[in-house]
Amino acid sequence: AQSVTQLDSQVPVFEEAPVELRCNYSSSVSVYLFWYVQYPNQGLQLLLKYLSGSTLVKGINGFEAEFNKSQTSFHLRKPSVHISDTAEYFCAVSSPAQGAQKLVFGQGTRLTINP
Amino acid sequence: DAGVTQSPTHLIKTRGQQVTLRCSPKSGHDTVSWYQQALGQGPQFIFQYYEEEERQRGNFPDRFSGHQFPNYSSELNVNALLLGDSALYLCASSPPEGYNEQFFGPGTRLTVL
Repeated sequence: AQSVTQLDSQVPVFEEAPVELRCNYSSSVSVYLFWYVQYPNQGLQLLLKYLSGSTLVKGINGFEAEFNKSQTSFHLRKPSVHISDTAEYFCAVSSPAQGAQKLVFGQGTRLTINP
Repeated sequence: DAGVTQSPTHLIKTRGQQVTLRCSPKSGHDTVSWYQQALGQGPQFIFQYYEEEERQRGNFPDRFSGHQFPNYSSELNVNALLLGDSALYLCASSPPEGYNEQFFGPGTRLTVL
């Protein structure tokens, strides 16, 4: 079975400051990793994904994440945040070995940007 | 190109009733997954449909059932509603062999009184 732990339930930062949202996963098989963003009263939008290859993944809206297999982590970073980045962020994992694309999500991190 | 659409947007039911939620996948997608997102929680996988059959199921009771139609649209049915079924229900679609991304709809907010 797989699991995802998002280490911070809430992260407040000031506008234009850097931010890191932490995600750790547990899996006995190889994984695909994802970060999704959810704006209020909306569905989920994919920010970025790691499937294979380079461990540094760049996504939309200036976000990037780094896959660290030894630490089983996939932390999300942005060098300078904007008010519009205020949202809930979810880390998720799936397993190509187990097929069927089932996503296992973390509990989410609420990112609040203060002016 | 329309994305994933879901209906209705909001729904209020009472305990013991039955509900049907609907999902139309993104054009060209053949796989539909359903997730339940309780307030303040991450989405939890309910089940996935492919070629009109349930391909995989999460840890949900049999009160939760689904269907996929030949046009790939899907329904989620919940019988004997409980207060704990109140949640945002998300539908996601994937393209053929698209293990690497799921596209989510806006969700249906179900409130059980």
